[in-house]
Amino acid sequence: GDSVTQMEGPVTLSEEAFLTINCTYTATGYPSLFWYVQYPGEGLQLLLKATKADDKGSNKGFEATYRKETTSFHLEKGSVQVSDSAVYFCALPAYSGAGSYQLTFGKGTKLSVIP
Amino acid sequence: NAGVTQTPKFQVLKTGQSMTLQCAQDMNHEYMSWYRQDPGMGLRLIHYSVGAGITDQGEVPNGYNVSRSTTEDFPLRLLSAAPSQTSVYFCASRRSENTEAFFGQGTRLTVV
Repeated sequence: GDSVTQMEGPVTLSEEAFLTINCTYTATGYPSLFWYVQYPGEGLQLLLKATKADDKGSNKGFEATYRKETTSFHLEKGSVQVSDSAVYFCALPAYSGAGSYQLTFGKGTKLSVIP
Repeated sequence: NAGVTQTPKFQVLKTGQSMTLQCAQDMNHEYMSWYRQDPGMGLRLIHYSVGAGITDQGEVPNGYNVSRSTTEDFPLRLLSAAPSQTSVYFCASRRSENTEAFFGQGTRLTVV
């Protein structure tokens, strides 16, 4: 079935370092793809999304490009800050087997940025 | 802008007790879901609804019941709490199948 696989980490970076979190997907069609962020003690928030192949989603300096050829949606940021420390989830709508599509998530990647 | 509201934020239950986690959204979304989040497991879907009066099971439904009598509300019932249900629970809503979900702040449940 449809699914996402992301690198699990944890990832520790120094401030201003370059960030990549890998996410690959398996899907029968071309679903929208999402990155969510969860700050400590909070719920998940949408970070960015892409709705079709070659789309680039961007927000708060983060970017991800919907690559159909490599079935990937890697998250990148050129210069991370301490405030980016959080858990990041890749997600897509997966067929539930009961006539609908439900969001399915990767296992999350914990990012810690040190000054 | 309330979005998705979950109550309570924290709860401690004794094994065998029952309780209801409340979830309400004010965005008129048809799709609502309950997830549980456990360390190393990501988010796992418990139950979901695609509209008032329609619910279905997700990946880990055992021990939980849901109902959807209105568009706004989607409560999750624990029938007889077990320590394995210690987790953080999130409710989410979205407009349609291929759109983003909005999450509540979560309920941290401990079963002793």
